[in-house]
Amino acid sequence: DAKTTQPTSMDCAEGRAANLPCNHSTISGNEYVYWYRQIHSQGPQYIIHGLKNNETNEMASLIITEDRKSSTLILPHATLRDTAVYYCIVSFSGGYQKVTFGTGTKLQVIP
Amino acid sequence: SAVISQKPSRDICQRGTSLTIQCQVDSQVTMMFWYRQQPGQSLTLIATANQGSEATYESGFVIDKFPISRPNLTFSTLTVSNMSPEDSSIYLCSVGKRTAYEQYFGPGTRLTVT
Repeated sequence: DAKTTQPTSMDCAEGRAANLPCNHSTISGNEYVYWYRQIHSQGPQYIIHGLKNNETNEMASLIITEDRKSSTLILPHATLRDTAVYYCIVSFSGGYQKVTFGTGTKLQVIP
Repeated sequence: SAVISQKPSRDICQRGTSLTIQCQVDSQVTMMFWYRQQPGQSLTLIATANQGSEATYESGFVIDKFPISRPNLTFSTLTVSNMSPEDSSIYLCSVGKRTAYEQYFGPGTRLTVT
C-alpha cells in the first residue's frame, strides 16, 4: 500500500468547514483513497472513499487532485462531535483488503 | 454495514497469564482482521483471519503469542498469551465484505497488564 502523509493536528471553529489534507504521492493507478476517523475510545469509522473523481456523502466530501498525489477531506460544517483522529489511507479496492493506518490528523473542533 | 461486538470491553490481567478476546458480527463476513492500538498510537494490524484457514500474521506478530481462531463466518477470537505490561493496548477487530468497499470496526477491548 502507498504511504500517506498528514498533518499531526488541526483546529477548526465549530460551524466552519474543516479541510484535512493528505499527500499520497506514490499511489498506484488502481489504489483508492479512503478516509476513516476514530473518535476517542471508539473503533475507527469509515467516512468516504474515492478513486479519481470527487465524492460526496452525508458525512463529508473528498477532493482528489487530478494527478491523484493528494486529496482533501472536507467536513462542511464541523461540530464538536467531529473532534477525532482522521486517517487517510490508500488501499486497493474492497473491504476485504487489509488496511494500513498511518498516524492520522488529530482534529480539534473548538466552540 | 455490519455491527460488531467485542468481549470483554476491558480487562486488567496479571503478567504471565492469557486473555481471549471475542469478536462477534451480526452477519456473515469473508474477512476478519485483528488490530492493536498501543497508548497514544495508531492502529497496527496483527493478523488477517479467514474462515476455515490459518490466520495470516503481519511482521512482528507470531501465532504462539497471538493465536487466532475463526470457527465460522460470524465469529473470531484473539488470545494474548503470556502477557507482559508491553501488551497493554486496545485490541480491535474489523470485518470486510467482498460486497463492500469499507471495513467495519468493533468497539475494542482495552487490556491492561500489571
